[in-house]
Amino acid sequence: EVQLQQSGAELVKPGASVKLSCKTSGYTFSNYYMSWLKQMPGQNIEWIGNIYGGNGGTGYNQKFKGKATLTVDKSSSTAYMDLSSLTSEDSAVYFCARGYRYNPNWFAYWGQGTLVTVSS
Amino acid sequence: DIQMTQSPASLSASLGETVSIECLASEGISNDLAWYQQKSGKSPQLLIYAASRLQDGVPSRFSGSGSGTRYSLKISGMQPEDEADYFCQQSYKYPLTFGSGTKLEIK
Repeated sequence: EVQLQQSGAELVKPGASVKLSCKTSGYTFSNYYMSWLKQMPGQNIEWIGNIYGGNGGTGYNQKFKGKATLTVDKSSSTAYMDLSSLTSEDSAVYFCARGYRYNPNWFAYWGQGTLVTVSS
Repeated sequence: DIQMTQSPASLSASLGETVSIECLASEGISNDLAWYQQKSGKSPQLLIYAASRLQDGVPSRFSGSGSGTRYSLKISGMQPEDEADYFCQQSYKYPLTFGSGTKLEIK
């Protein structure tokens, strides 16, 4: 069974950084892309970018370049997202999501989400 | 970026009623469209991909159709468990983009 287990909620101060994790199981991590998405309260979903588990190759939404950095640790089948220079606009739920091998962009599997709250 | 205009923003339906949700893409997306259901406080769940293919395990009362720039999701016979938010998503071009969502409630 494919599972994506995300790290717990974060309360961070403005200007700080935070690193979110997405630990996977039930499939061959290096064969799939992992995407990260943002959902602000009551708002629609934004795609941040994706990373290939095999070689760490990344693709970003231009809007999030400089804000988000995606990495993977193949040894632990875990994907990470660093968010930097946090502001109130970064307060949101962040999801990791995996698609199919033939189309990585239809998200059949999702983590449970990590709530990030930016507040002093 | 491809803009996905979803309508209506909210919808109220009686049990057993058939409902439709529309998504209009700002350019042709060649059936590279998915629909998701998101219940309150939960992660989205994939319902439909490639515009009309039903994801495994999704009830057959859900169906998708469309082509070019216009796509729709139909629920044939509203059930209590269908009360949720629904989103469309294009996977034709990066960056991937989503519709603004439709809140579906039981009347």
